[in-house]
Amino acid sequence: QKEVEQNSGPLSVPEGAIASLNCTYSDRGSQSFFWYRQYSGKSPELIMFIYSNGDKEDGRFTAQLNKASQYVSLLIRDSQPSDSATYLCAAQTFGNEKLTFGTGTRLTIIP
Amino acid sequence: ETGVTQTPRHLVMGMTNKKSLKCEQHLGHNAMYWYKQSAKKPLELMFVYSLEERVENNSVPSRFSPECPNSSHLFLHLHTLQPEDSALYLCASSQAHTDRRTDTQYFGPGTRLTVL
Repeated sequence: QKEVEQNSGPLSVPEGAIASLNCTYSDRGSQSFFWYRQYSGKSPELIMFIYSNGDKEDGRFTAQLNKASQYVSLLIRDSQPSDSATYLCAAQTFGNEKLTFGTGTRLTIIP
Repeated sequence: ETGVTQTPRHLVMGMTNKKSLKCEQHLGHNAMYWYKQSAKKPLELMFVYSLEERVENNSVPSRFSPECPNSSHLFLHLHTLQPEDSALYLCASSQAHTDRRTDTQYFGPGTRLTVL
């Protein structure tokens, strides 16, 4: 069973702090990883993707990938109340359109 | 706005009804997807169409029937659904690249379906 696992939360972080969201995957064939943000009642929207080991930064967001440990994370710096949402991690195998999603982590930023 | 639209946004239907969900993408993508999202479950891929051909069907019951007449439009025809089929149905599209590392999927707003 190819799975992507996330802690469902809720994860509560004070405003201005760093929020750290984690994801593990079981399929070593997974090559690309995507982080989506989903507000309640809305559809997922892409934050960023990563496919190389290491860090990838985009504004306040940093994605980290460690293929040896089969671990992906998303860091949100200077957390804002508007960052409160469910964050979905997804894995994709090279050459395959299919994304395998985790159940998501609900993040709450406390003002 | 992601460039992917879905209609209707909300649908209530009885178990004997026949209805269709529509998705349209304005991004010039060549792949489209149907997903089902139920509470506390991961997004479930139902169907994938790449270059208008169905490439994946994750053992979805036959009461769900997809149709992809061209690369911009995708339908999901519904017939004799069950109450457990109530969920958010999401359409997505992507552009399949040669290296396939960045086949980012963009989602539509979804159709909230309730089966009575």
